[in-house]
This record gives sequence, structure tokens and C-alpha cells, in this order.
Amino acid sequence: AQKVTQAQTEISVVEKEDVTLDCVYETRDTTYYLFWYKQPPSGELVFLIRRNSFDEQNEISGRYSWNFQKSTSSFNFTITASQVVDSAVYFCALSAPFGNEKLTFGTGTRLTIIP
Amino acid sequence: DAGVIQSPRHEVTEMGQEVTLRCKPISGHDYLFWYRQTMMRGLELLIYFNNNVPIDDSGMPEDRFSAKMPNASFSTLKIQPSEPRDSAVYFCASSPNRDTEAFFGQGTRLTVV
Repeated sequence: AQKVTQAQTEISVVEKEDVTLDCVYETRDTTYYLFWYKQPPSGELVFLIRRNSFDEQNEISGRYSWNFQKSTSSFNFTITASQVVDSAVYFCALSAPFGNEKLTFGTGTRLTIIP
Repeated sequence: DAGVIQSPRHEVTEMGQEVTLRCKPISGHDYLFWYRQTMMRGLELLIYFNNNVPIDDSGMPEDRFSAKMPNASFSTLKIQPSEPRDSAVYFCASSPNRDTEAFFGQGTRLTVV
């Protein structure tokens, strides 16, 4: 069975601070994909990133970066120099093994950026 | 492409009524998913299709729920009869293949009173 844990239910930071959202996953499969989605107040789910289990390279996209560590089964997401527009609920998700189309979502972390 | 399109955006209905939610996936995407989001259960997969064929409906909560995909550009999720506990946001998503991320629609917020 697959499981994704996002222990941080809510986080509030002051604008321009850096913030890291934690994600820990469980799977017995050796091949899997990890995802992050953003759900802004408007409600839609916006895809942010997908990583496969063979690629542990960290990724940076503008102010966003992701740290994938198989040794700790974690896929953490850092926002640098946060902005008010980053306020949203962020979901980590897992699909395992390769070819399994079903996403297992974490419970989400509500991030509030205080101006 | 306009993305995944869902209608209606909001639906309020009385208990016992039939509700139909609609979805138009992104053109060329072979997979279509229906997810439900509630405070209690979070985001959960209800059913998904591959090339218009239902592959896994194990997440459908009960027989009151049914989903169809008559062609590659349209799918429906029907609840009959609806109950207050069906109140949730229902998302439709599509993806081009099994190893690609899913793109979500804006969701339908269903309230059953």
C-alpha cells in the first residue's frame, strides 16, 4: 500500500522568508513517481513537479526547489523569498509502481504568507 | 489548449435528486480520472478511464455513483440519489499516458442539502 504523510497541517511565514514543506512517503515498490501540486484559494489543482525514483537530483525552478532523498523517503519542497501569491494548500502525491496511474495524495499543507 | 473543463462549477441540490457532473479532458489525453476532495478524507480517486474504458472503479463509494465516458472528449459522473454526505469538490483530471502527470480541472463544488 502507498502512503504519503505531510505532517505540517498549516504554516505561516512572513513574506520574503524561506519555507520548507515536508513530505514523507511509503511504498514497497522500487519504481515510483513523486509529485507536488498547488491548490490556491481559487480551488484548482496546479501541477508543480514530477520526479521518478531513479532521479535523486535536486531540482530548482525559480524560487522553488525540491529535495528528494530516498534514504529518508522524503521529497521536500522549499520556497525561497516567499510571496503572498504563494499562499495555497500544497499537496505531495505518489504513484507506484511505474505505470500505476493512480495518485495517492497527502493531506496537504496550508501555507499562508503574511505580507 | 483550454485545459480540463468541468461543469458546473457549483451545484446545489436537494437530497434524493440526481446530480450529473461533466468533464471535457485535454484533447489527446488517453487517461481520465475522477477525484473527490473532502475535509475528512482529503483527495481520493474514484475511478479512471483509459481510452474511454473504465479501468479501476474501486474508489467509487457505492452503487449510487456511476461514471461514463462515451467518447474521448467527454465524461460524466452521476450520483443518484444524492445524499448530504456526497457534498465535496469533485475533480476531473487527464493525462496523455501512464507515466505523465495528471492535469486537473477547476473542480465542481457539490452541496447536497
